[in-house]
Amino acid sequence: NAGVTQTPKFQVLKTGQSMTLQCAQDMNHNSMYWYRQDPGMGLRLIYYSASEGTTDKGEVPNGYNVSRLNKREFSLRLESAAPSQTSVYFCASKEGGSGAYEQYFGPGTRLTVT
Amino acid sequence: KQEVTQIPAALSVPEGENLVLNCSFTDSAIYNLQWFRQDPGKGLTSLLLIQSSQREQTSGRLNASLDKSSGRSTLYIAASQPGDSATYLCAVYLNTGFQKLVFGTGTRLLVSP
Repeated sequence: NAGVTQTPKFQVLKTGQSMTLQCAQDMNHNSMYWYRQDPGMGLRLIYYSASEGTTDKGEVPNGYNVSRLNKREFSLRLESAAPSQTSVYFCASKEGGSGAYEQYFGPGTRLTVT
Repeated sequence: KQEVTQIPAALSVPEGENLVLNCSFTDSAIYNLQWFRQDPGKGLTSLLLIQSSQREQTSGRLNASLDKSSGRSTLYIAASQPGDSATYLCAVYLNTGFQKLVFGTGTRLLVSP
């Protein structure tokens, strides 16, 4: 049981390049999330998927797109990377619906855009 | 807009000391509250989840309390150890149709041997 996995762990991009961050969970969770973490800003929600087939914008969606490929996988795409997107990106998942369900986080992807 | 604040931003204590980390939130209409630990360069590890109907939750040397009416939560760590050194994050689940998490910026704890 690997929990939440993310690939790649590290990435360096040039301004204007595109890339996709991959996330997968093996806990049969309905809900999945993408966050970015910046010094002094805390974690901020980029996009989330309440259930397979649905996605919604979070607090900072500009410059990103997402795909909920199936129940296990939720990818984040940067179409044209900018230096402001240099950050650590975390994927998380949670059992859906109401109740005392915790979010579980992946190890993160460290992205640098030059 | 919900805002979560954690004070202090950094804390340094000698091993064995009991300590309290503070978290405050501006809107008391939260669903649940979760405390996390983050080691340098690593992801987040869940420590405790407190439901909005609960007052506290315990796990080993950790005890978290929640006072919704005053918009505050505390994380108590008993008999601190060097291995407790990490950043501790507090996050509240918004009481909306979908439970989004809003994070504080964390308290960086250093426990010296």
